[in-house]
Amino acid sequence: QQQVKQSPQSLIVQKGGISIINCAYENTAFDYFPWYQQFPGKGPALLIAIRPDVSEKKEGRFTISFNKSAKQFSLHIMDSQPGDSATYFCAATLNSGYSTLTFGKGTMLLVSP
Amino acid sequence: DVKVTQSSRYLVKRTGEKVFLECVQDMDHENMFWYRQDPGLGLRLIYFSYDVKMKEKGDIPEGYSVSREKKERFSLILESASTNQTSMYLCASSISWASYEQYFGPGTRLTVT
Repeated sequence: QQQVKQSPQSLIVQKGGISIINCAYENTAFDYFPWYQQFPGKGPALLIAIRPDVSEKKEGRFTISFNKSAKQFSLHIMDSQPGDSATYFCAATLNSGYSTLTFGKGTMLLVSP
Repeated sequence: DVKVTQSSRYLVKRTGEKVFLECVQDMDHENMFWYRQDPGLGLRLIYFSYDVKMKEKGDIPEGYSVSREKKERFSLILESASTNQTSMYLCASSISWASYEQYFGPGTRLTVT
């Protein structure tokens, strides 16, 4: 079964610190790697995504790093803020119309004030 | 903005009851998805549909069925609810050519007693 392994399961970071969440995948056919952010009581929402031909993508304080040879990618949240406290899911997919997302199990991030 | 609505935020049903969960999206998306979310297990795909009257099994379809009679509406049916179906159910939709970007509803917390 296709899998995306995500770690850690939970993370506590002080305000201003760097939050790092890691994911690893098995299927080399995956060609799109999105991250979703979920606040309590809400559905997940797309945060940032990367293709495997790019090693890094940055949007504001959020950066995805991608290592194709290791089949790993990670989310870095710089200058973490209490408002970033949420559950983060990495995912992988084939970028075609009929493909589905394979999600990691999620990381619950708490940024302490 | 894309809006995905789910018929109930909270639902309590008895074992053996037939349960309908409704989802409506307002952006003319071709693809629609049903997930369940459980602590430590992340998001697991139950069923998805890429067109009216079409349906495909996801990773955990057992005990569930779906219906898509209109493009904007996707229903999840629990034929005979069981206690192990107590969970958060999330509906999502996406454009056909960008299935990586899914828009989620707020979820339905179903408790089966």
